[in-house]
Amino acid sequence: EPEVTQTPSHQVTQMGQEVILRCVPISNHLYFYWYRQILGQKVEFLVSFYNNEISEKSEIFDDQFSVERPDGSNFTLKIRSTKLEDSAMYFCASSEVSGSNAKNIQYFGAGTRLSVL
Amino acid sequence: LAKTTQPISMDSYEGQEVNITCSHNNIATNDYITWYQQFPSQGPRFIIQGYKTKVTNEVASLFIPADRKSSTLSLPRVSLSDTAVYYCLVGADNNAGNMLTFGGGTRLMVKP
Repeated sequence: EPEVTQTPSHQVTQMGQEVILRCVPISNHLYFYWYRQILGQKVEFLVSFYNNEISEKSEIFDDQFSVERPDGSNFTLKIRSTKLEDSAMYFCASSEVSGSNAKNIQYFGAGTRLSVL
Repeated sequence: LAKTTQPISMDSYEGQEVNITCSHNNIATNDYITWYQQFPSQGPRFIIQGYKTKVTNEVASLFIPADRKSSTLSLPRVSLSDTAVYYCLVGADNNAGNMLTFGGGTRLMVKP
């Protein structure tokens, strides 16, 4: 079964440092997403991406965050200057193009645990 | 987005059938009902989706009454590995690209 893969599984960084979280979405999917989950809390939407641009973003996704699809397979989330409160699990997801059979079923990766010290 | 209400937690034993009910009184005409499962330290995983009546797949069944104001996820003969958080989501999922809004979910604990 095709899957979304994320690297690294765990990232430790110092406050103020830049981090890049990487994702390889399912190959025929064209919609990509980032979510985060702070320990013990809900899964929160960050951003959606389609056709090389951001479709939608939440209030969490401020100027410190950016996304990019640098090539035909990778989808990255960059945090420019990490804060302690950015510590969370970050999940990448992808879904198929809208159509009569596509019901926005999103497929999630296993996540990257970001620890900001 | 329609607000959903589901039990915070449930306990069950191996081999039992588990039914998790979700209330969504303000569901809109074009809203679909989708359930995801999340194991500890894993991303959510799609289980099942439906619009009305009953949907069944190899993992679960989804029962939706005619008024669509609630839905019930049914897991037949659960095992220890079904211990997870189960999320009920309601939204206009007929269009790809929409963000998913997760609530607190139902934490299912399956005991031996």
